[in-house]
Amino acid sequence: GAGVSQSPSNKVTEKGKDVELRCDPISGHTALYWYRQSLGQGLEFLIYFQGNSAPDKSGLPSDRFSAERTGGSVSTLTIQRTQQEDSAVYLCASSEQPGTGYGELFFGEGSRLTVL
Amino acid sequence: TQLLEQSPQFLSIQEGENLTVYCNSSSVFSSLQWYRQEPGEGPVLLVTVVTGGEVKKLKRLTFQFGDARKDSSLHITAAQPGDTGLYLCAGPSDSNYQLIWGAGTKLIIKP
Repeated sequence: GAGVSQSPSNKVTEKGKDVELRCDPISGHTALYWYRQSLGQGLEFLIYFQGNSAPDKSGLPSDRFSAERTGGSVSTLTIQRTQQEDSAVYLCASSEQPGTGYGELFFGEGSRLTVL
Repeated sequence: TQLLEQSPQFLSIQEGENLTVYCNSSSVFSSLQWYRQEPGEGPVLLVTVVTGGEVKKLKRLTFQFGDARKDSSLHITAAQPGDTGLYLCAGPSDSNYQLIWGAGTKLIIKP
């Protein structure tokens, strides 16, 4: 596909279960971001990948959250032992020009996570 | 700490009216971007402004970057229901590759 693809689009899980969210960025984009968005709110930075560099994990809210990016392409965000406060939309974005403020971030449609 | 404050947080107006929303900071930004997010979708870039005092027009949308590069505004003329969405401004962090995001203005245009 031409755009950023995220799956699943919706996930309902029980408190305490683990979830995996997947992001397939635009081919050739070296920068990949994960954000979290609560209902109608702004974007909360979670993690950033750039090429083969070590990821910036400074936005991850707890050690229950982790992410990896394999082969510089697909990324997976994993949330262990989910809590109700983890309920949100998780957005993935990719870019050719990381963080310069000039390059465009291309977003997926997001994965809506609901923890019961 | 660089912050972007957007106002108003929420705006609901009738089709055909004009409106302006704001993105303000006490910090200087080298550039600012405006994104629009429609329900159930990710944000989409509308414009990037890079020069103090710059004005960019995108059909009925007019974007302005303040002379001091600390603020930006978005003016919509003759708003239409298709303009409904969450408008987010973002600017590059001084210290790293991250973007600083405003909390957004939720805009509803009623037919």
